[in-house]
Amino acid sequence: GQQVMQIPQYQHVQEGEDFTTYCNSSTTLSNIQWYKQRPGGHPVFLIQLVKSGEVKKQKRLTFQFGEAKKNSSLHITATQTTDVGTYFCALNTGFQKLVFGTGTRLLVSP
Amino acid sequence: EAEVAQSPRYKITEKSQAVAFWCDPISGHATLYWYRQILGQGPELLVQFQDESVVDDSQLPKDRFSAERLKGVDSTLKIQPAELGDSAMYLCASSRDIRETQYFGPGTRLLVL
Repeated sequence: GQQVMQIPQYQHVQEGEDFTTYCNSSTTLSNIQWYKQRPGGHPVFLIQLVKSGEVKKQKRLTFQFGEAKKNSSLHITATQTTDVGTYFCALNTGFQKLVFGTGTRLLVSP
Repeated sequence: EAEVAQSPRYKITEKSQAVAFWCDPISGHATLYWYRQILGQGPELLVQFQDESVVDDSQLPKDRFSAERLKGVDSTLKIQPAELGDSAMYLCASSRDIRETQYFGPGTRLLVL
């Protein structure tokens, strides 16, 4: 089946620094979703990307879908302590069957 | 704001015992999903329902796991007998329809001793 690798596995930043997580697939993706999971919490949907080269922004978060639709990234500008959590990308393999990536755990120090 | 409800939130059991988890999706959501999330990993789909019908249970270990959604509303996931490797978070999610955004419940954290 499809596998989704995320890098890095873990990142620790100082508040105010930027953060980027990358999601890579071995196959072309129809679309990709991003979720955030706070420590002890459940995944919360952030966004879905569908088009090649698509870029979407949500306040300090910028999501990008690669031109070849095999990779995606999430960039957070000027991190805040509220950004702490694990960020997952998820492939939609069809009929909303999601295959989640390995996740990037973000820790932000004040 | 409507939420997916799950119970219990925590469950400790001994191996070989039976356990059951309950999920009540957001009202009106036709599609319901059960995921298993092992610590440090992403959620893995176990079973997907559309109304009362199973759409996908290819990843459900059917020798010990069962899931039902008899009236197409709430759902139960059962494990019998539980094994040590079943220790994980069991997440339920729902969506209005099969192509819509999924909303996750708080999960049931299972520890098998």
